[in-house]
Amino acid sequence: EDKVVQSPLSLVVHEGDTVTLNCSYEVTNFRSLLWYKQEKKAPTFLFMLTSSGIEKKSGRLSSILDKKELFSILNITATQTGDSAVYLCVLGAGGATNKLIFGTGTLLAVQP
Amino acid sequence: NAGVTQTPKFRILKIGQSMTLQCTQDMNHNYMYWYRQDPGMGLKLIYYSVGAGITDKGEVPNGYNVSRSTTEDFPLRLELAAPSQTSVYFCASRPRQGGNTIYFGEGSWLTVV
Repeated sequence: EDKVVQSPLSLVVHEGDTVTLNCSYEVTNFRSLLWYKQEKKAPTFLFMLTSSGIEKKSGRLSSILDKKELFSILNITATQTGDSAVYLCVLGAGGATNKLIFGTGTLLAVQP
Repeated sequence: NAGVTQTPKFRILKIGQSMTLQCTQDMNHNYMYWYRQDPGMGLKLIYYSVGAGITDKGEVPNGYNVSRSTTEDFPLRLELAAPSQTSVYFCASRPRQGGNTIYFGEGSWLTVV
């Protein structure tokens, strides 16, 4: 069964800390892995990863995929209170249905 | 750019009432989805569609119906609202080609009392 497991479920840090969010997965037909940030509204897109070992960066955020060990990490350096959100890992599966499988998310709280 | 548009944003229903959540996208995307998100939970797929005229059940389809008569529109219908359907509903779409980036609507907050 295709599935996505995120850890930790929640995390509280102080401004300036660096955090690493984890996403492991099982899938029959891998197509892509996506990271989203969700505050009080709809999820907003962060990264899409399709190849192993290639780091994607956007400002203080970066992400990398390991297709051999079936996991991805999302790093946030020098955290700010505006980084407080739920971070969703989403697995894109191929095949006839092209399913999207969502993890339950990691709730990050950044304290001043 | 409109993207994915959902209406209404907020709605309160009485038990047993019916309503339709509207979703439309102007990006000519083939795939469209309806998710619900309960407090502290991940998104769960209700129904999805891979193109006009084609719909299929997701993880939690009971109590809902959908139709896809056009590429642009993918309405979600609740026939007999129940308190368990109190949730935030997200419509999403993505293209068939070009990767799996998903475009979300802004969400519809539904309360059934």
